[in-house]
Amino acid sequence: QKEVEQDPGPLSVPEGAIVSLNCTYSNSAFQYFMWYRQYSRKGPELLMYTYSSGNKEDGRFTAQVDKSSKYISLFIRDSQPSDSATYLCAMSATGNQFYFGTGTSLTVIP
Amino acid sequence: KAGVTQTPRYLIKTRGQQVTLSCSPISGHRSVSWYQQTPGQGLQFLFEYFSETQRNKGNFPGRFSGRQFSNSRSEMNVSTLELGDSALYLCASSWKTGGNEKLFFGSGTQLSVL
Repeated sequence: QKEVEQDPGPLSVPEGAIVSLNCTYSNSAFQYFMWYRQYSRKGPELLMYTYSSGNKEDGRFTAQVDKSSKYISLFIRDSQPSDSATYLCAMSATGNQFYFGTGTSLTVIP
Repeated sequence: KAGVTQTPRYLIKTRGQQVTLSCSPISGHRSVSWYQQTPGQGLQFLFEYFSETQRNKGNFPGRFSGRQFSNSRSEMNVSTLELGDSALYLCASSWKTGGNEKLFFGSGTQLSVL
């Protein structure tokens, strides 16, 4: 079993929709959680970072962590065509070595 | 502030050769991590360096090695290249090692092994 599981998609939504991206994990020691956005032929760009259960909001993005269920989510409100990218979740127990999901490919259709 | 810089951007090598990739972290960052990204496996941790010392190592063969210099710049070396080493190699930097530090990635080096 992989440390982190993420639905690869692809996910296709109309502009303005709310997008929900999810990851599950098996290691209860994970305490640092990040979401990255990666455009084609680019490195991952940090979107959200949290190290506690609950919600964290930044503009149109909300990161949610449920440690009891070992489940994290990223919500994108009012999705835009520029949000079309691959979204990666990442998590770590120590903050040294991060385990990544394989990424969810998102397309926002104008 | 300049981001993480990786060179070269693209590399084409043949099986059996060796390759060296370079990474310059964000100014002031002292921790450098390397990841391999492939379509099937996603991002996999190779190793992390902090203050010129390897702090953590992922589950890769000894053909993969790295080092960090006193100015925090890092290099990664892969010897005796195999077809399966074709991947995007990403470098990430952070201010310190461990704890609640954010990782910032470069654009990567795309390595193709023929």
